[in-house]
Amino acid sequence: QSALTQPPSASGSPGQSVTISCTGTSNDVGAYNYVSWYQQRPGKAPKLMVYEVSKRPSGVPDRFSGSKYGNTASLIVSGLQTEDEADYYCTSYGGRNNLVFGGGTTLTVL
Amino acid sequence: QLHLVESGGGVVQPGRSLRLSCAASGFSFGSYPMHWVRRSPGKGLEWVAIIFYDGDNKFYGDSVRGRFTVSRDNSKNTLYLQMTSLRPEDTAVYYCARDSSQLPYPNYILDSWGQGTLVTVSS
Repeated sequence: QSALTQPPSASGSPGQSVTISCTGTSNDVGAYNYVSWYQQRPGKAPKLMVYEVSKRPSGVPDRFSGSKYGNTASLIVSGLQTEDEADYYCTSYGGRNNLVFGGGTTLTVL
Repeated sequence: QLHLVESGGGVVQPGRSLRLSCAASGFSFGSYPMHWVRRSPGKGLEWVAIIFYDGDNKFYGDSVRGRFTVSRDNSKNTLYLQMTSLRPEDTAVYYCARDSSQLPYPNYILDSWGQGTLVTVSS
């Protein structure tokens, strides 16, 4: 199973919005609404930020939102804050009891 | 308070074996599927394995299938990962994570993670 494709980096200034894409295939992202996004700060455990494409766990700010169109999912971070600097990973259920990760995107708040 | 604590990492020579453990507390461990995920140095996260709540069903990522075995002891609230025929490319921080589904089948949403344990495969 090939990894999902994410841009290696993204950036924005405080207060701006940034979108991180996650491109898969019709066998994973395009086939299931089980797309999740995780935030990982240096030296920390990953944290679930968005699940089932666009749902947020309790405690996650509504500045984080998700969407999907076809084989591409997106994480939108609006009103950027310095604390949002981290690596972000998308995942998708890939069928046959398999979970596929994206390569990760490093978000920099300028 | 939900806690997942991994242990068992260390330095091991190529070809040798190592067993990781993940101690769970603060939730009904036996009701949830559990995952192992790893992050290699300078690389991203990679899914390693899943075990269903009762331990009867186990599935693996392509790079570890046939070498790694996931298991669980629900009486001890502990998840395990037995790693054999280790390779330098298995060097990574290994995380255990809980699947959020409370149904018989997982939903592949990892809602809680441990802090990880580092495995270094080197001669």
